[in-house]
Amino acid sequence: QVLLVESGGGLVEPGGSLRLSCATSGFLFSDSYMSWIRQAPGKGLEWLSYIGPSSGHTNYADSVKGRFSISRDNAKKSLFLQMDSLRADDTALYYCARDEGVSGVDYWGQGTLVTVSS
Amino acid sequence: QSALTQPASVSGSPGQSITISCTVINGDVGNYNLVSWYQQHPGKPPKLIIYEATKRPSGVSSRFSGSKSGNTAALTISGLLAEDEAQYYCSSYTRTRVFGGGTKLTVL
Repeated sequence: QVLLVESGGGLVEPGGSLRLSCATSGFLFSDSYMSWIRQAPGKGLEWLSYIGPSSGHTNYADSVKGRFSISRDNAKKSLFLQMDSLRADDTALYYCARDEGVSGVDYWGQGTLVTVSS
Repeated sequence: QSALTQPASVSGSPGQSITISCTVINGDVGNYNLVSWYQQHPGKPPKLIIYEATKRPSGVSSRFSGSKSGNTAALTISGLLAEDEAQYYCSSYTRTRVFGGGTKLTVL
């Protein structure tokens, strides 16, 4: 059974930082590209970042470039997102997902909610 | 970077077929099978229903089909069921991933 479980969300003040984690099981994590995707309340999906299997290949959406950093620990089958300089418009449900590129995003977690507010 | 445009809403009656379009702006979906489609019910994560423009993952109903022509991809749902009422998103992948704005499907 494939499982992706995000954690680390919560309430943070503007300018603050959070580190999201995603624990995975049930698929070959070390061979997989992984993405973070978010969804603001009542809004659509926004891809944020992906990381290749060996961490050497990363990419970011312009909206988070320079503020967010993706990383992974293949030994622990875990994905991370370090979020700095948070803004109110970063408020969203953050999904961890396996990203198969042209073959789509096939595994999704349930998401962790990040609220940026004073 | 490409942008994807979807209609905000579509509707249909049970048993009917509907089509949701996804138009690529500043890009070309025609030469590459880059488009995937996702279904999202309220309070749930998205579910992959079409990938590489026309392929269905294992376990996805054959009532869902994908096509592409020029700069437009399309999702067709045939034999509409009440459970198909959901939000639908297209996505394209090149060096980054982009999602369309989403289409709300209402089953009347």
